[in-house]
Amino acid sequence: DTAVSQTPKYLVTQMGNDKSIKCEQNLGHDTMYWYKQDSKKFLKIMFSYNNKELIINETVPNRFSPKSPDKAHLNLHINSLELGDSAVYFCASSQGSASTDTQYFGPGTRLTVL
Amino acid sequence: AQSVTQLGSHVSVSEGALVLLRCNYSSSVPPYLFWYVQYPNQGLQLLLKYTSAATLVKGINGFEAEFKKSETSFHLTKPSAHMSDAAEYFCAVSGDTGGFKTIFGAGTRLFVKA
Repeated sequence: DTAVSQTPKYLVTQMGNDKSIKCEQNLGHDTMYWYKQDSKKFLKIMFSYNNKELIINETVPNRFSPKSPDKAHLNLHINSLELGDSAVYFCASSQGSASTDTQYFGPGTRLTVL
Repeated sequence: AQSVTQLGSHVSVSEGALVLLRCNYSSSVPPYLFWYVQYPNQGLQLLLKYTSAATLVKGINGFEAEFKKSETSFHLTKPSAHMSDAAEYFCAVSGDTGGFKTIFGAGTRLFVKA
């Protein structure tokens, strides 16, 4: 059983389109995250939810909107895609939101905007 | 604010040689420190973490790291490299008063030569 899963694994789309990435965790964790990894492998936090409540909202364009229907799911919707949005997006989860909590990462979604 | 600096974006070692990946941190509060590994086309997974207990931390796959407050360092070592250790390694810090966020370094790519 995959602990943190993301769909789709690859996403190729045109500029200006709207797309969504879905994430699910079956670990029973309370906290979920979205990270963006750029072409230089730099990993940056975007959002985090704890028990469906937004607790981290970094400086991200408002074209990006996370949604957590329940604590096992955290989806990411992106409007009006731009070339600079091309990256690998990782979902992660942790037991709680404590600084010592280990994060468990999904396999990533590689988004390519043409 | 917290930050992490990983010295060397690429490190190359021969199989059987010592692995040393360097990480220095900056933190105004006692830090919690992590090393994560990312194999090609996969998400990150935890190697080890320091949470203010023993300063020498042992992780999976024979890796260990030592927290040195005086040097603000948390270098990762392994006595003998295996081909399977080839991957991207990320040092990370958390514990800032802002809470919740884990800050990742830029990563070090480890190459292992036969």
